[in-house]
Amino acid sequence: GESVGLHLPTLSVQEGDNSIINCAYSNSASDYFIWYKQESGKGPQFIIDIRSNMDKRQGQRVTVLLNKTVKHLSLQIAATQPGDSAVYFCAVHGYSSASKIIFGSGTRLSIRP
Amino acid sequence: DTGVSQNPRHKITKRGQNVTFRCDPISEHNRLYWYRQTLGQGPEFLTYFQNEAQLEKSRLLSDRFSAERPKGSFSTLEIQRTEQGDSAMYLCASSSSSGRLRRTDTQYFGPGTRLTVL
Repeated sequence: GESVGLHLPTLSVQEGDNSIINCAYSNSASDYFIWYKQESGKGPQFIIDIRSNMDKRQGQRVTVLLNKTVKHLSLQIAATQPGDSAVYFCAVHGYSSASKIIFGSGTRLSIRP
Repeated sequence: DTGVSQNPRHKITKRGQNVTFRCDPISEHNRLYWYRQTLGQGPEFLTYFQNEAQLEKSRLLSDRFSAERPKGSFSTLEIQRTEQGDSAMYLCASSSSSGRLRRTDTQYFGPGTRLTVL
């Protein structure tokens, strides 16, 4: 079965610096990867996704990198702001399932002023 | 606000009672999902509907759990004879598909219903 793991449960960065959150997945057949942001008391919010035919995708202040060779995914947040404080989940579309998403355990990002 | 709503937002119940949660997906979305999230963990998949058909259920969904989506719009998740281990956040998500079962699509989550079983 598929599994997803995040490298660090917590990450503290200085406001204005770039943040990098890493994630590893187990199933080389996985073809769709998503990053979600979850603030306290709210449901996960879609940030950005990437499919396995791409290595990099950019959004507004965020970039997702996919390394299929080592089954590694990362989320980069540029110029981190206080509003970026949240738990970040990487999620993998379950290849054996039509639509199930498998989430990692999350990295809590905190911002130092 | 993603457009997915869930009610109630909080539910406190005594062990052994039945509880029911409701999810209203984004109106044009034909797929609806239920997840459970415990403290410090990522959401875990419970079940999934395409229109009114329940197409997949996790083994986490014991026989005390039942979900319905009778008209292919809103969905309910019922837990019978609640146990303290059922305390969690129950999340609903919805998405649209092209009709091809294997198409991947973006899931948008509601705010969740936090269940506390005393």
